[in-house]
Amino acid sequence: GAVVSQHPSRVICKSGTSVKIECRSLDFQATTMFWYRQFPKQSLMLMATSNEGSKATYEQGVEKDKFLINHASLTLSTLTVTSAHPEDSSFYICSAGSGAAETQYFGPGTRLLVL
Amino acid sequence: GENVEQHPSTLSVQEGDSAVIKCTYSDSASNYFPWYKQELGKRPQLIIDIRSNVGEKKDQRIAVTLNKTAKHFSLHITETQPEDSAVYFCAPFSGTYKYIFGTGTRLKVLA
Repeated sequence: GAVVSQHPSRVICKSGTSVKIECRSLDFQATTMFWYRQFPKQSLMLMATSNEGSKATYEQGVEKDKFLINHASLTLSTLTVTSAHPEDSSFYICSAGSGAAETQYFGPGTRLLVL
Repeated sequence: GENVEQHPSTLSVQEGDSAVIKCTYSDSASNYFPWYKQELGKRPQLIIDIRSNVGEKKDQRIAVTLNKTAKHFSLHITETQPEDSAVYFCAPFSGTYKYIFGTGTRLKVLA
């Protein structure tokens, strides 16, 4: 089956620092990756859609200069939370798919805590 | 924008009973309709999905029914077990090429 990994699984950082989260598709080429954020007891909120080799498409209300997304290859996308603040503390999950309207495969998630 | 709602938001059933969760969406261009199960602190797991050219699909104790005209699809779990307790999300794939997650349903199966 398709496997997606995320690194790190959890991270604690100080307010004002930047944090990079990696999302990798291990055994397939992901033309599209999605980044979600999930606050406790809430649904997954789509932050952005990332296509290999092109700029990410951000959802309304998501600051593209704060959440930098890079999808440089068919197996790797990164999300960088710049100048993190306590309100950015959340569970960040990526998913990868190989085409439109296909099954998406989720990474295990990254729990970010900003102090 | 697209709107996806689930009902009920919480559901408690006795072990062995059936559970039904309904997902209503607004984008008529949606063409793929998955259901996910998420346990605390874990990633969502796909449990069943259906495409727009099919009205019903069943996989052992789990089934999904789709009414495209009314823009809703439902998850049916029969013979519920305690391990079915989790949060369930629908996530129709919209015409704008993205998945929009529903509001979630917390299912509790009482032993």
